[in-house]
Amino acid sequence: GQQLNQSPQSMFIQEGEDVSMNCTSSSIFNTWLWYKQDPGEGPVLLIALYKAGELTSNGRLTAQFGITRKDSFLNISASIPSDVGIYFCAGQLPSGTYKYIFGTGTRLKVLA
Amino acid sequence: DSGVTQTPKHLITATGQRVTLRCSPRSGDLSVYWYQQSLDQGLQFLIQYYNGEERAKGNILERFSAQQFPDLHSELNLSSLELGDSALYFCASSGRGVSYNEQFFGPGTRLTVL
Repeated sequence: GQQLNQSPQSMFIQEGEDVSMNCTSSSIFNTWLWYKQDPGEGPVLLIALYKAGELTSNGRLTAQFGITRKDSFLNISASIPSDVGIYFCAGQLPSGTYKYIFGTGTRLKVLA
Repeated sequence: DSGVTQTPKHLITATGQRVTLRCSPRSGDLSVYWYQQSLDQGLQFLIQYYNGEERAKGNILERFSAQQFPDLHSELNLSSLELGDSALYFCASSGRGVSYNEQFFGPGTRLTVL
């Protein structure tokens, strides 16, 4: 099925470091959502983006809706051990379809 | 706790069997989405219902079907099960106020087909 290209696939970082990940697509999206999933659990919504160029923060997390509407970025500042998990982006296809396409995920591991 | 509930949490069955997964959306949410997540994979959108009607369809097999009832809970029916159907099945709901686009996920049902 359709999926967004999400990178990096995985990353190991030291506690306290900043983290960046992104999602790209050849398609235009109306909405971007970022989720975190712990093993065996359901994804938890972190940030929602609705306009091209929009920059939104949630605590140490900051996400941006790309100007071209084909990409989005998530940054985590000063990472801590509980940031460990898989981060997914999801893009909503243009209005009328109500479908979300999910990224392949970025697996984050934080070394204390 | 997202407010979305799913039952059962685990399900083990044999090939060829049929199972039903149940989802109750957050209070007030009208939309329900179903997703399949295979081991170490992303989420594959299966189907969406809005206020009892099918609204969008993804990569849902013909052996799978879903419905949303008047009380807004939803069921996903999987029949003629195959080994490859083993996966986590998530339900999500949305539809409240200005954040109607934001999907909130349940804890999932882990299906194992032996």
